[in-house]
Amino acid sequence: EVQLVQSGAEVKKPGESLKISCQGSGYSFTNYWIAWVRQMPGRGLEWMGVIWPGDSGTKYSPSFQGQVTISVDKSTSTVYLQWSRLKASDTAMYYCARPRGSSTNCYDRWGQGTLVTVSS
Amino acid sequence: QSALTQPASVSGSPGQSITISCTGTSNDVGAYIYVSWYQQHSGKAPKLMIYDVSNRPSGVSNRFSGSKSGNTASLTISGLQAEDEADYYCSSYTRSSTVVFGGGTKLTVL
Repeated sequence: EVQLVQSGAEVKKPGESLKISCQGSGYSFTNYWIAWVRQMPGRGLEWMGVIWPGDSGTKYSPSFQGQVTISVDKSTSTVYLQWSRLKASDTAMYYCARPRGSSTNCYDRWGQGTLVTVSS
Repeated sequence: QSALTQPASVSGSPGQSITISCTGTSNDVGAYIYVSWYQQHSGKAPKLMIYDVSNRPSGVSNRFSGSKSGNTASLTISGLQAEDEADYYCSSYTRSSTVVFGGGTKLTVL
């Protein structure tokens, strides 16, 4: 069974760093893109970027370029999303998602979400 | 890149049909067949309902259908059921090799 399991909820202060994770299982991890999607409280879905675990190649939304870093550890089939300096506006639910087949854009497998709360 | 434009809300009675529009530009919706639709119930992760404009993943009811004309895609739900009440999002691949979502539409089943 294909699964994406995300790390648990985080509570951080502004200016702190954070790295959340998404571990894939039940499929060939290096052969599927993994995307990160943000959902701020009461708001819609926002595509942040993707990574190809095979070669760590990434593509970011212009809105998130330079604000976050997406990385991968193939040895543990885990993709990461990290911030160097959190802001209160980073408070959101973050989902990782895997697309169908070789697609980069239609996501049929989703993680359960990681709630990040940034507050002083 | 701007979010795709969806109506904030739509509503319908059980058994009726509703259509949700998703308007983009010639750089996204109008450029490719790569338009998807997602259903999201409150507190849950999104679920893929339609991909490549009009294809349904296995297990998705045939009451859900998709289409596209020019820069506007549409999701139609026929035979509305109470369980269809949720938020719906469209998405499209873009000429910049990124993905953009719509702002979301809240469907209320009256």
